[in-house]
Amino acid sequence: NAGVTQTPKFQVLKTGQSMTLQCAQDMNHEYMSWYRQDPGMGLRLIHYSVGAGITDQGEVPNGYNVSRSTTEDFPLRLLSAAPSQTSVYFCASRAGSYLYEQYFGPGTRLTVT
Amino acid sequence: GQQVMQIPQYQHVQEGEDFTTYCNSSTTLSNIQWYKQRPGGHPVFLIQLVKSGEVKKQKRLTFQFGEAKKNSSLHITATQTTDVGTYFCAGQDDYKLSFGAGTTVTVRA
Repeated sequence: NAGVTQTPKFQVLKTGQSMTLQCAQDMNHEYMSWYRQDPGMGLRLIHYSVGAGITDQGEVPNGYNVSRSTTEDFPLRLLSAAPSQTSVYFCASRAGSYLYEQYFGPGTRLTVT
Repeated sequence: GQQVMQIPQYQHVQEGEDFTTYCNSSTTLSNIQWYKQRPGGHPVFLIQLVKSGEVKKQKRLTFQFGEAKKNSSLHITATQTTDVGTYFCAGQDDYKLSFGAGTTVTVRA
């Protein structure tokens, strides 16, 4: 199993540009999440999904969209990039809602200029 | 909403010494998980605690869940250079895992 994969690993955007961060998992996990990591602030939840077709907002959803058309894929879309979105983005998955360990992808380092 | 606080933010340890990092939640948790992130890497699951007062050990690491299920601690004995990284606790509330800001550990050889 490849586990959780993310592309790209690095990305530089200009303010106002849009892009999609890709995330896929091959473990047939129901639950997937997107986090951003900023220095001193830990991992903050952006959006999550409890299954195909179902998504919900986390604590910092503004400026981001998600969709979950399949169990495997959970892309994160930046609608109009801003310098405040410069961060490291992690996708994660787990088998169920409660009492399951979470598996993280390798991350995408995004810089918005 | 739920908030999970971790202290200290940084821990500089002499190799061979012990240290403890603490995690506190504003609400009662159904469970708590601990993760380790090596420099430049991604968080990796270490352990989960579910029961009030639960204590679990992994070699030199001892994890504890408070009686009120609102706090947790990670104690590392005889710190080694392989312990370098950031340790996160994550509390579960409903479907969401809320992460603390982490304790970044550096080790002096």
